[in-house]
Amino acid sequence: DVQMTQSPSTLSASVGDRVTITCRASESISTYLAWYQQKPGQAPKLLIYKASSLESGVPSRFSGSGSGTEFTLTISSLQPDDFATYYCHQHKNYFWTFGQGTKVEI
Amino acid sequence: EIHLLESGGGLVQPGGSLRLSCAASGFTFNSYGMSWVRQAPGKGLEWVSALSGSGATTYYADSVKGRFTISRDNSKSTQYLQMNSLRADDTAVYYCATTVMGVNYWGQGTLVTVSS
Repeated sequence: DVQMTQSPSTLSASVGDRVTITCRASESISTYLAWYQQKPGQAPKLLIYKASSLESGVPSRFSGSGSGTEFTLTISSLQPDDFATYYCHQHKNYFWTFGQGTKVEI
Repeated sequence: EIHLLESGGGLVQPGGSLRLSCAASGFTFNSYGMSWVRQAPGKGLEWVSALSGSGATTYYADSVKGRFTISRDNSKSTQYLQMNSLRADDTAVYYCATTVMGVNYWGQGTLVTVSS
């Protein structure tokens, strides 16, 4: 199975900060990677698909990059609504795997 | 617009069984694989099972192999997860999910609680 290593596990930041979260895959997954935001009691919300495509309705301060084994989610200017947990997700084949999550907190 | 709606969750005793359903709409159901993902309270996301568009090929996480069975009825655009021999550590929100044209779609989830 493809292992996904996400870092950091927790990130302390302030409104207006530029935030970067990284995911590393144990083997090449091309661009079969998605990023989600999750708030307590809610389902994961898709932010980025195909590693760098912004989901419709998601603010442009969110961006994704990378291919192969190294991927990055960037929030250009952190807003109060962005304090949440973020997950990466690889779907190269049917055996999906997820990063451990990054909790973005004040 | 693509929608996935799970149902069938609830409280069940250890050793019991439960069947989850996921009704899909907005895409050609029999052309795409479907998956189940779960999230235990306070934990991360864990892939559980998947099956091909025809339903002929199925895949399971080691943690559920031999206890859970995934299936689909393409005439009803619905997939199922039959869960047997349930354990306390199966307690989680179960999500139905798929990838269509490279975009990932999830339902809102259904809660399964295994407790006596």
